[in-house]
Amino acid sequence: DGGITQSPKYLFRKEGQNVTLSCEQNLNHDAMYWYRQDPGQGLRLIYYSQIVNDFQKGDIAEGYSVSREKKESFPLTVTSAQKNPTAFYLCASSIDGLAGDTGELFFGEGSRLTVL
Amino acid sequence: QQPVQSPQAVILREGEDAVINCSSSKALYSVHWYRQKHGEAPVFLMILLKGGEQMRHEKISASFNEKKQQSSLYLTASQLSYSGTYFCGTEGVIGGAQKLVFGQGTRLTINP
Repeated sequence: DGGITQSPKYLFRKEGQNVTLSCEQNLNHDAMYWYRQDPGQGLRLIYYSQIVNDFQKGDIAEGYSVSREKKESFPLTVTSAQKNPTAFYLCASSIDGLAGDTGELFFGEGSRLTVL
Repeated sequence: QQPVQSPQAVILREGEDAVINCSSSKALYSVHWYRQKHGEAPVFLMILLKGGEQMRHEKISASFNEKKQQSSLYLTASQLSYSGTYFCGTEGVIGGAQKLVFGQGTRLTINP
């Protein structure tokens, strides 16, 4: 079955540690996205990538980093510079890449990060 | 440039109707609607691509009023399975490219 797989589902981190959240898709989609979800604030875009080896900052990129070395993978690193990292993180993909409006987003199940 | 959704929360009895609105201060080029059940990933419902367009997903329909810069989601004869948080997404410029910007969500609770 095609889809998006995020891991881990739950993650606990001590302050000052970097953590990496995995996102893999087998939908052959060009575009991939990372969103952060906090209660009452909807989904806020952290980073997105429209093509391999290229990515762009979203609205709230500070304290995060990404890479896109393979089409199917878009890992997100939450660094110690992120002031308030406790949140629910969602990875998504869409078929469109560089051209046109954003098509339907397919989301992963999410990763819940808690900083202790 | 985040779209504004109203109301923030709705509580209905099964079989009742509801309307969720999504408004933008900027011109709308397309509107997406997603539903997220508690603890799950958001799921795509529909995209409206131009003014005047209406779409339907089961008993849920949506309209897109380009002039008013607004889209509305209509839930008719609500079922228990409709419970969840509904998000609208509109195209906005982020990082120099047009990307989806989501509203804050509307929590819908359907009681038997």
